[in-house]
Amino acid sequence: DTAVSQTPKYLVTQMGNDKSIKCEQNLGHDTMYWYKQDSKKFLKIMFSYNNKELIINETVPNRFSPKSPDKAHLNLHINSLELGDSAVYFCASSQGTSGVKAKNIQYFGAGTRLSVL
Amino acid sequence: SQKIEQNSEALNIQEGKTATLTCNYTNYSPAYLQWYRQDPGRGPVFLLLIRENEKEKRKERLKVTFDTTLKQSLFHITASQPADSATYLCALALGTGRRALTFGSGTRLQVQP
Repeated sequence: DTAVSQTPKYLVTQMGNDKSIKCEQNLGHDTMYWYKQDSKKFLKIMFSYNNKELIINETVPNRFSPKSPDKAHLNLHINSLELGDSAVYFCASSQGTSGVKAKNIQYFGAGTRLSVL
Repeated sequence: SQKIEQNSEALNIQEGKTATLTCNYTNYSPAYLQWYRQDPGRGPVFLLLIRENEKEKRKERLKVTFDTTLKQSLFHITASQPADSATYLCALALGTGRRALTFGSGTRLQVQP
């Protein structure tokens, strides 16, 4: 069973279109994330949800809107796609704890390669 | 500004040797540091975590050190194998209350048979 699954794996679309990427985790984790990996391989946090509540939103254009219908799902909707949005988007989850025992080991999906033409 | 640096050049070594990868950071006081492996076309996979009060951690052929004075972590793979070829990412937690990780850009390791 895939622990963190995201669909689609590849997404090719025209500038200006709206698209969504779906993510589901079956690990029972309470926190989910979206990361963007650009062509230089930097993996940057975009959003984080804890129990369906947004806890991190890192200077991401408001064309990107995450939606968490329940704690096992975190979808990413992108409006008015631009060329610069082309990247690989990774969903991840963790069962975090706060304080000195925190680990927050991240479990990643296989990624969605978005190409905006 | 806060920075995490890994050697962006690929590391090429012969099978059986020890690979050593470096992760340096500035302007952070991380609670812990993690290392991940990423294969082409796949998401990163967790390998090891080391806390700020730990000097060294081992798991099978892997060893991680953490020097908070030097602001550096070293990741070692002993008796390396071609199957160890991948990109290795270090990641920091900015604090115990913040769950997202800040990643370095990774170092690609190529183990030659």
